[in-house]
Amino acid sequence: QSALTQPASVSGSPGQSITISCTGTSSDVGAFNHVSWYQHHPGKAPKLMIYDVSSRPSGVSYRFSGSKSGNTASLTIYGLQAEDEANYYCSSYTTRYTYVFGSGTKVTVL
Amino acid sequence: QVQVVQSGAELKKPGASVKVSCTASGYSFTNYYIHWVRQAPGQGLEWMAIIDPTGAVTKSAQKFQGRITMTSNTFTNTVYMELSSLTPADTAVYFCVREVPHTRYFDSWGQGNLVTVSS
Repeated sequence: QSALTQPASVSGSPGQSITISCTGTSSDVGAFNHVSWYQHHPGKAPKLMIYDVSSRPSGVSYRFSGSKSGNTASLTIYGLQAEDEANYYCSSYTTRYTYVFGSGTKVTVL
Repeated sequence: QVQVVQSGAELKKPGASVKVSCTASGYSFTNYYIHWVRQAPGQGLEWMAIIDPTGAVTKSAQKFQGRITMTSNTFTNTVYMELSSLTPADTAVYFCVREVPHTRYFDSWGQGNLVTVSS
């Protein structure tokens, strides 16, 4: 199972919006609405930010929004803040009853 | 408070096995699945395997089949993952991760433990 494809890096200035894409296949992202997103600050445990494509867990800022079209899911961060600087990973359930992560995107706040 | 606490760092030689543990507290242990996810240095996250702590279900990614074994102890609320035939490519931080059954996402992560494979 190959990793889902994400851009290696995305950057933006404080207050701007950025979007991270996550491209898979009809066997994973396109097959189910089971796409989730995780924020990972190096050295810490990853944190769930979005599940089921667009749902936010309790406690996660409304500035984080998820969507999906076909085999590509997206995470948008509105009103970028310094604390949003981290690595972000998407994840999808697959038709083989397994899971696959994205290649990861480093978000830099300029 | 939900906690998933993992065992400490390990240093192993190529060809050896490593057994890492994950102890849960603050929730009903048998009501959640546990996954293992790893991150090699400078690399992304990689899903390895899932276990239902009751022992009813286990599944692993194809690349680990044949050399990964997962067990659980419901008396100590602990899940174990043993990886055999280690190579330097297995050097990584291994995370123990919780899933509410059938929700297909990971809502709580352990702190991770570093396994280093080196001669």
